[in-house]
Amino acid sequence: EPEVTQTPSHQVTQMGQEVILRCVPISNHLYFYWYRQILGQKVEFLVSFYNNEISEKSEIFDDQFSVERPDGSNFTLKIRSTKLEDSAMYFCASRGPRQGLGKLFFGSGTQLSVL
Amino acid sequence: GQQLNQSPQSMFIQEGEDVSMNCTSSSIFNTWLWYKQDPGEGPVLLIALYKAGELTSNGRLTAQFGITRKDSFLNISASIPSDVGIYFCAGPDWGNNDMRFGAGTRLTVKP
Repeated sequence: EPEVTQTPSHQVTQMGQEVILRCVPISNHLYFYWYRQILGQKVEFLVSFYNNEISEKSEIFDDQFSVERPDGSNFTLKIRSTKLEDSAMYFCASRGPRQGLGKLFFGSGTQLSVL
Repeated sequence: GQQLNQSPQSMFIQEGEDVSMNCTSSSIFNTWLWYKQDPGEGPVLLIALYKAGELTSNGRLTAQFGITRKDSFLNISASIPSDVGIYFCAGPDWGNNDMRFGAGTRLTVKP
């Protein structure tokens, strides 16, 4: 069964450093998302991406964040200058062209630890 | 954005017991979804509900979309140890291309 894959599974970084989290969505999917989950808390929406541009973003997704689909298969989330409070599990998700908004397929996540 | 209130926050049950959890919203949803998250994994869709009053089953799981479109419940019958995890309700944020999650119900099943 096709799945969303995320790398790395764990990332440790120093505060102020840039990180890039990588995702390979399911191949025929057109809508891509990043969510994050701080330990013990709920899953929070960050950004959605369609047709090579951001379609929605939350208040969490400030100027320090950016997304890119550089080559038609990868979907990346960049945090320019990480803060301690960016420590969380980051989930990538995708859905297909004829699937309702709810039918998101999630990756296993990247656990980001900012020291 | 629309807020989802999920209850209970956590449940501790014996294997074989039935479980019920619910989700409410102050505003109307056109879609209700239930996801399960295993430790260290991403959420996995269990059931999607698209019509008010709809009752849908997936194995031992049953979910209903409330008539008012402001609530939904998820039932698990005859729980087993692998039902352990966090169950999230979710719904599309009105007018936006994203989905909002409830805070989750953490289920523990004792053998």
